[in-house]
Parts: sequence; C-alpha cells; structure tokens
Amino acid sequence: EDQVTQSPEALRLQEGESSSLNCSYTVSGLRGLFWYRQDPGKGPEFLFTLYSAGEEKEKERLKATLTKKESFLHITAPKPEDSATYLCAVWGASGGSYIPTFGRGTSLIVHP
Amino acid sequence: SQTIHQWPATLVQPVGSPLSLECTVEGTSNPNLYWYRQAAGRGLQLLFYSVGIGQISSEVPQNLSASRPQDRQFILSSKKLLLSDSGFYLCAWTGPEVNYEQYFGPGTRLTVT
Repeated sequence: EDQVTQSPEALRLQEGESSSLNCSYTVSGLRGLFWYRQDPGKGPEFLFTLYSAGEEKEKERLKATLTKKESFLHITAPKPEDSATYLCAVWGASGGSYIPTFGRGTSLIVHP
Repeated sequence: SQTIHQWPATLVQPVGSPLSLECTVEGTSNPNLYWYRQAAGRGLQLLFYSVGIGQISSEVPQNLSASRPQDRQFILSSKKLLLSDSGFYLCAWTGPEVNYEQYFGPGTRLTVT
C-alpha cells in the first residue's frame, strides 16, 4: 500500500525566513510525485510534478526536489501570500493505474 | 485550456434530505474523473473515480453514489444525508494522456444540519 507522510503538520515563518517542507513516501513503482497548494475554502492548485530521483522544479520562491524516499518543497524568502496548506501526492503502480495517494498536508503561515 | 466547474459552491441541507453535486470539465476528452471529500483538518479522502461513461469505482462504502452520464460530467448523489456527510467535496480530473497530473475544481462546502 502506498503511503505519504508530510512534516511538519504546521509551520510558522517570518517573512524572508527560508525553510523546507518534507514529504516522505513509500510506493511501489513511482509514476509521479505531485505538490499542490491549497488556500482555505478552495480546491488544491497544481504546483509541480516530479517523475524521477534527482529531478528538481522551480516556480518563483518554490523549489521541489525528489529522492527515492522523499521530496522537499523549499521556500526561499517567503512572503505572507505564500501562506497556505501544501499537499503532496504520489502515483504508484500498485492498486491499479488510476488512484493517487495524498498526504495530510503542511499548513504554512508566513507572518509579515 | 481545460477548466473544471463544480456547483453549487455551498450547500446547507437537513439530515435525511437528498443530495446532488455536479462537476463538469471543459477542454478535454475522455478524462478520468474523481470525487474527494476533505474534512476539516484532515486529508483528501477518495470517494469515487471513473475512467469512462457509466464506469464508476467506489473507494469507500457509504450512503453516497456517483454517476457519469456524459464524458465530461460527474455527479455525486445521496438519497438521505447524514450529519457525517458534512465536508468539502472536490472534483478532479486527469487527462487521457499518461502524465498523472490531477487538477481540482473549486469545491463544494456541504453542511448537513
């Protein structure tokens, strides 16, 4: 069974204080690892897809990296508008080809 | 570009009443469609998914059901709502191309009273 664990559950940062969110996963045959941003009362917004260990993706202040066991979402010099819940998901080869497994998310608050 | 719609945005229903939530996708054909529920402070719970018209797979036994009457339409229903059905319902899609990227709709906030 695929598993995704995100840490920490909650993170408070001061504006400009860089940090990283962790997504540890266990999956049979990784087909992709995905990061989403979710604002309160809204649907998750797609951020990144990582397909293989060593891959990195960047978007503005966010950078996602992937190893064989975990992914990190690095946030450089965050701003208050980066406050949101960040979700990680994996898509594995087990259990059929159509179902991803999501973590519970990290709630990020950036104080001005 | 692809767009996913959900309605209504919010809904307050009494216990025992029926439910119908609708999701439609534009700009793609043959999508895989999903219904999730997200309870406060918890992760996403997959309820149903569909890989084609009339094809529904249920992940969690409950008093909810799903139907896919058209290629880009996915409906979540219940004959009698329970208090425990309250939550944030999300529809999502993945394209027929194999990149596994899943995109979500804006969600429906359901409160059962």
